[in-house]
Amino acid sequence: DTGVSQDPRHKITKRGQNVTFRCDPISEHNRLYWYRQTLGQGPEFLTYFQNEAQLEKSRLLSDRFSAERPKGSFSTLEIQRTEQGDSAMYLCASSPPQRGTYNEQFFGPGTRLTVL
Amino acid sequence: AQTVTQSQPEMSVQEAETVTLSCTYDTSESDYYLFWYKQPPSRQMILVIRQEAYKQQNATENRFSVNFQKAAKSFSLKISDSQLGDAAMYFCAYRTAQWGDMRFGAGTRLTVKP
Repeated sequence: DTGVSQDPRHKITKRGQNVTFRCDPISEHNRLYWYRQTLGQGPEFLTYFQNEAQLEKSRLLSDRFSAERPKGSFSTLEIQRTEQGDSAMYLCASSPPQRGTYNEQFFGPGTRLTVL
Repeated sequence: AQTVTQSQPEMSVQEAETVTLSCTYDTSESDYYLFWYKQPPSRQMILVIRQEAYKQQNATENRFSVNFQKAAKSFSLKISDSQLGDAAMYFCAYRTAQWGDMRFGAGTRLTVKP
């Protein structure tokens, strides 16, 4: 297993279009996170899954955003009616089953979205 | 709300020298974790070092060490014997023991001069 993978790596779309990103976590990692990173800023948390259950959503995740992890493996993040402000790097991370109270998050390479 | 502040947008160090990156955070929690992540240009983020808040001893990982001052809510990263491969964005991050998400600072861009 080579780590967390994300597809596509780059996406250019026109305002108003829908886009979907995919994240494949490291196998046997039961936790999966989505973050958004804009230029010059650190990642901002969007949402978090434990297996197939979406346990937490940030207020950043407007109703145009939806994330799923149907079988507790890969996850998709969809943005409907994209806006120019959605342009960012979307990062996915996964972590293994909890040992004690700590677990490291392993990040993927990200999907860079540009909305024209 | 927990916030993480990195007051140095950019830092520069000569190869083989030592550099310290600053990070402060704000929290009312007593149990939490702190991290430094490295993000090289066009590459994915990797964990450099972590610190559990309940541990008084500062974490070290080879050339990387932290100065954790819990009362001051300060968590600085020291890189010794800097190498060209250390050039990257460095992010300080905070996570409570209870919740899954991490809060990141805005990052410090480190340049290493040969």
